[in-house]
Amino acid sequence: NAGVTQTPKFRVLKTGQSMTLLCAQDMNHEYMYWYRQDPGMGLRLIHYSVGEGTTAKGEVPDGYNVSRLKKQNFLLGLESAAPSQTSVYFCASSPGSSNSPLHFGNGTRLTVT
Amino acid sequence: AQSVTQLGSHVSVSEGALVLLRCNYSSSVPPYLFWYVQYPNQGLQLLLKYTSAATLVKGINGFEAEFKKSETSFHLTKPSAHMSDAAEYFCAVSGEEYGNKLVFGAGTILRVKS
Repeated sequence: NAGVTQTPKFRVLKTGQSMTLLCAQDMNHEYMYWYRQDPGMGLRLIHYSVGEGTTAKGEVPDGYNVSRLKKQNFLLGLESAAPSQTSVYFCASSPGSSNSPLHFGNGTRLTVT
Repeated sequence: AQSVTQLGSHVSVSEGALVLLRCNYSSSVPPYLFWYVQYPNQGLQLLLKYTSAATLVKGINGFEAEFKKSETSFHLTKPSAHMSDAAEYFCAVSGEEYGNKLVFGAGTILRVKS
């Protein structure tokens, strides 16, 4: 019963460094999402994917890139980290359609100094 | 842009008291509505969802929510708070007017006092 797994759980970066966050789901879901959570702002959508090989921009895409080479994996990349990207990042997946609830991973806490 | 508003970033209740967390949405067509709960250092878990089958929706852990179209609201309630209910609660909406993507409110942190 793994569900949605995110790695790593914690990371500290220096400004300008790059990194990739990995999300894996074992539920054969078509849709996958990356959100960031900041105090008092709820969750904001960064990028999402409606199927293998597809990606689309969400509400706050600047400074991030994503790839969905395999259906079960959704990668979030930061090419040049900035302090404003300090946040908790959540990956989620769903079967698709607007009334399908999302299944969330446990998050990655990223600090950029 | 369509939005979802949670009134009150922090709510404090005594153990055994009624829990009421407020959520209002803005759209001309009733959207799909969800409540999620987040315990410390964890991801979000679905509490309940409204998809037009019934206006009163029952969820897990004794929570329920009522969809009121005239008030564009979907408030979350629980008759008697338990210490284990302390968490952050998020209202979320989706549907055509939201680009068929899930849009979250800012969240309400529930504190339960003994």
